[in-house]
Amino acid sequence: DTEVTQTPKHLVMGMTNKKSLKCEQHMGHRAMYWYKQKAKKPPELMFVYSYEKLSINESVPSRFSPECPNSSLLNLHLHALQPEDSALYLCASRGGQGTDTQYFGPGTRLTVL
Amino acid sequence: DAKTTQPNSMESNEEEPVHLPCNHSTISGTDYIHWYRQLPSQGPEYVIHGLTSNVNNRMASLAIAEDRKSSTLILHRATLRDAAVYYCILRGTGANSKLTFGKGITLSVRP
Repeated sequence: DTEVTQTPKHLVMGMTNKKSLKCEQHMGHRAMYWYKQKAKKPPELMFVYSYEKLSINESVPSRFSPECPNSSLLNLHLHALQPEDSALYLCASRGGQGTDTQYFGPGTRLTVL
Repeated sequence: DAKTTQPNSMESNEEEPVHLPCNHSTISGTDYIHWYRQLPSQGPEYVIHGLTSNVNNRMASLAIAEDRKSSTLILHRATLRDAAVYYCILRGTGANSKLTFGKGITLSVRP
């Protein structure tokens, strides 16, 4: 099973809402990633978790709060977002040392009103 | 991360080979060359990667120039399903090395 699942597929939220995006993988991967992708642009890295610890934060605003409760699950908590945060949010995972391939989920399409 | 340069777009005919070029003149000795593709409305998908030698897998072949300053992704027989954005990415080997996506090349396949 080489699948990364993301829920929900679509999310519409107001600027005062709090919502969460969920990502799950059961490949035993110990590195997990959040990317943001605006329309017609390449994905941009937001966060990297390695062995359930945050290892990279690409200077992402604090209104995005990642969480890795266990090795299979990655959440992205959203609060007080702006309309410009509307984008496709992609999750990915990568296997252990020596394994370079990242497996991406289908993404959550977020619209902030 | 070292930068890659790709043409914006390319067209091919179905069932013909496709050669997608990538320039990476500032590549370092430990950078791997990765290719991912993103089909419409999907997340990126791994295609192939290599360091110095040419590589083949079930999806594609990767031809790497001797000086490693350029590479070419080869799809041997393009299908309509191969229409996607193809990203050429350099990735180091450190524990915190990451994929930094460039603009990619949009491949269109004509029936």
